Amino acid sequence: KAGVTQTPRYLIKTRGQQVTLSCSPISGHRSVSWYQQTPGQGLQFLFEYFSETQRNKGNFPGRFSGRQFSNSRSEMNVSTLELGDSALYLCASSLGTSGNEQYFGPGTRLTVT
Amino acid sequence: GEDVEQSLFLSVREGDSSVINCTYTDSSSTYLYWYKQEPGAGLQLLTYIFSNMDMKQDQRLTVLLNKKDKHLSLRIADTQTGDSAIYFCAERSGGFKTIFGAGTRLFVKA
Repeated sequence: KAGVTQTPRYLIKTRGQQVTLSCSPISGHRSVSWYQQTPGQGLQFLFEYFSETQRNKGNFPGRFSGRQFSNSRSEMNVSTLELGDSALYLCASSLGTSGNEQYFGPGTRLTVT
Repeated sequence: GEDVEQSLFLSVREGDSSVINCTYTDSSSTYLYWYKQEPGAGLQLLTYIFSNMDMKQDQRLTVLLNKKDKHLSLRIADTQTGDSAIYFCAERSGGFKTIFGAGTRLFVKA
C-alpha cells in the first residue's frame, strides 16, 4: 500500500503570497490531519478533516485553512504569508478519528523570504 | 490545558538500553504514541498503547504507562547507531486532538 504523499516537497515563497499544499492519504484512510513543525514551537496541530468535514482545529490564525475532498485528499492553504510561517508542514492520515494510529507523510518544507 | 513534556536530549552507548520518558496532563487520553523522526523525514509511528494498558512490548521496544502519574516511557533494548533520531511522545486527547511533545533527541555513541 502506498504511504501518505505530500506535494510539493519543497517550496519557496515571498511574504504576502499565498500557498497551497496537498496531501494524499493512504488508500482507505478517511481522516487527514495537518501539523506545523518548527524548531522553536515543535509540532503543532493545525486541523483535522474526516469525510470532508473539519473535526478539530488548532490555535492558528484564519490565514491557515484547509479542506478535504470526497476522495479524502486534502489541501491546506496559507494566505498572506509571513516569515514565521516557514516550517515543515506534515500531513498524517488515519482510518478514523477515534484514535487510530496516524501515518505521516514526508512533509512539505516551506520557506518564506 | 493539554500538554506533553519530554526531556530534550539523551545520549547512550551502542548496545546499551535507552529509556525515553514523557509526561502528559490530559487524564482523558485514550491512546499514547511514540514516533521516530530521522533528519529530513516525516514521523514514523513506532508503537502505541491504549490508556487501559500498563505495558506493551514490540521486539526491541517496550512501552510502560503509569496512568496514575501520567507517565509514559519508551525503552529501546540493544540501542544501535541507526536508532539515533528524535523521538516524539504524543497523546490522543479526549477532544480527539493529538498533542505532541517537543521530542527527545537520542544520540547513540559507537
